[in-house]
Amino acid sequence: AQSVTQLDSQVPVFEEAPVELRCNYSSSVSVYLFWYVQYPNQGLQLLLKYLSGSTLVKGINGFEAEFNKSQTSFHLRKPSVHISDTAEYFCAVSLNQGGKLIFGQGTELSVKP
Amino acid sequence: KAGVTQTPRYLIKTRGQQVTLSCSPISGHRSVSWYQQTPGQGLQFLFEYFSETQRNKGNFPGRFSGRQFSNSRSEMNVSTLELGDSALYLCASSRALGQDPTEAFFGQGTRLTVV
Repeated sequence: AQSVTQLDSQVPVFEEAPVELRCNYSSSVSVYLFWYVQYPNQGLQLLLKYLSGSTLVKGINGFEAEFNKSQTSFHLRKPSVHISDTAEYFCAVSLNQGGKLIFGQGTELSVKP
Repeated sequence: KAGVTQTPRYLIKTRGQQVTLSCSPISGHRSVSWYQQTPGQGLQFLFEYFSETQRNKGNFPGRFSGRQFSNSRSEMNVSTLELGDSALYLCASSRALGQDPTEAFFGQGTRLTVV
């Protein structure tokens, strides 16, 4: 079975500081990896995805993530955060099964001025 | 292009009642998935429909059911509501051509409160 672990439930940072949100996954087969963001009272928005190819993936809003197969990790990074980045971030995996996503528990990013 | 539309946005029901939630996917999308989001359990996959057929199912009791219509709109139904069914129910649509994963677009969700 596949599982996703987000290592930090809450990450407080100051505005303009760099941030890394950590995600590890467990799977005996190849998976596809995603990061989603959820703002209060909203649905989920895709930040970026890794399907194949280059292990460094760039997404929207200045976020990027690096797929590390040997460490089964897919950490999300941003070099300089803004107040508007305050939200909950979810890492997810998908097998080659169409629409089923398995999510981590989420990381609450709080950006302080 | 209209996004994924879920109705209603908010719902309050009494224990023992049943409820039906609706999801209209993005035009042209044939796959609709449903997720339950709670503070304790996080985001959990309920089921996925593709071309009116249930293609994947999560680990939820039979009280949770769904269907998809020929226009790809989907409904999910929860019977005999329990307090623990209080959650944000999210619907996602994707093209899902064949079995390849594609970007899932989420609706804003239906907030169900069971009292």
